[in-house]
Formats: sequence, structure tokens, C-alpha cells
Amino acid sequence: GQQLNQSPQSMFIQEGEDVSMNCTSSSIFNTWLWYKQEPGEGPVLLIALYKAGELTSNGRLTARFGITRKDSFLNISASIPSDVGIYFCAGQLNTDKLIFGTGTRLQVFP
Amino acid sequence: EAEVAQSPRYKITEKSQAVAFWCDPISGHATLYWYRQILGQGPELLVQFQDESVVDDSQLPKDRFSAERLKGVDSTLKIQPAELGDSAMYLCASSRGWLLEAFFGQGTRLTVV
Repeated sequence: GQQLNQSPQSMFIQEGEDVSMNCTSSSIFNTWLWYKQEPGEGPVLLIALYKAGELTSNGRLTARFGITRKDSFLNISASIPSDVGIYFCAGQLNTDKLIFGTGTRLQVFP
Repeated sequence: EAEVAQSPRYKITEKSQAVAFWCDPISGHATLYWYRQILGQGPELLVQFQDESVVDDSQLPKDRFSAERLKGVDSTLKIQPAELGDSAMYLCASSRGWLLEAFFGQGTRLTVV
């Protein structure tokens, strides 16, 4: 099935560092969602974006809806050990299915 | 806080057997999704319901998979017969409608032996 391209595939950073990851698509979307998934658990919604150019924050997380509607970015500031997990983007156009990215695996070292 | 409920959490079954998963979405959520997630990959949509109607089942292997949401509330996903390649996490998600936030359950980890 179709999946969005996320980069980087994995990141190994030190506690306190900022993190940036992005998601790109060949198709345009009306909604972008960012999720975090920990081993053996379902994805947990972090941020939802509904408008091109929109910038939304949730605590230390900030996400942007690209103006081309084909990409989205997630930033995590001042990372902490509990940020460890896999981050997925997901996009949706109108009534079409919610499509997920390939994931970015984040490892934070103290 | 309302959650999507899934059961069982874990299921081990022998190949060629039948297996079923259950999902109870957040109350009032009209849209329900079933996803399959293979280890190391992102979730892939199997079927999407709007109330009791199937909106998209283009990726559902219909020769062995079936899904229903008879009263537009809870849903069941069935596999018969199970194959080794069906081993994966099966995730259910719900949202109030299209283009709105989708919330996931904890998933059912299926192992086919």
C-alpha cells in the first residue's frame, strides 16, 4: 500500500538536543497528523494540522503544514529520555484513507 | 479520557484457523478504521467504515479477511483461514468524521504459528 516518505529513518541524539523530522508526499493532503508509537502499543496522536502553512504547538512539540500541502515537519525541542519512540506522520485528502509515513525512530541518550 | 478499546491484546493461532478481533470506538465517533502494522513499518489501512457502511476496503484481502460494523458502533475483523504472513499488529482507530483526528486503540498482536 501507499506510504509517505519520512526522514530521517532514525535519529540518535543526546538529551537536551532539538529534533527535526519531515514527511513528504507526491499527493496533496487536507489534513496532516503526527503520532508517536512505543513498542507494543498503538500510535498516540500528538498534533493535528488542517490548514496549509499552519504552525501548531503541543508543549515541546511544534508541527507545520507545508504550504504546498505535500509535506509536513515536526520539531521536538529540548529532548528528554521519554521522547524515545517511533514518530509517524499521516495524511488525508477529503474522504480518502488516512495514509501513514514510514516512521522516524528516535533514540535519546542521557 | 475516552479510549478506543480493542481485544484481545495478544492472540496466538495456528495457520488455517479462524481468528477474530474486536474494536469499540470512542463514543460518538462515526468513522472507524482497521489497520495492519508489520514490525518496522507504518500502519496500512485494511478497511474504513463511516457508520455501518464500508468506505474503503481496497486493501483488504477479501478471500480471507472480513470486517463488519453492524450497528455502526463496535466492529469485528475476522481472518479465515489465518496464514503465517498475517502475523502483525492489528490496530483499530476512530474519529468523529473524515479529516478529523483519529485515535488508536492499543492493538492486537497476532502471531500465526
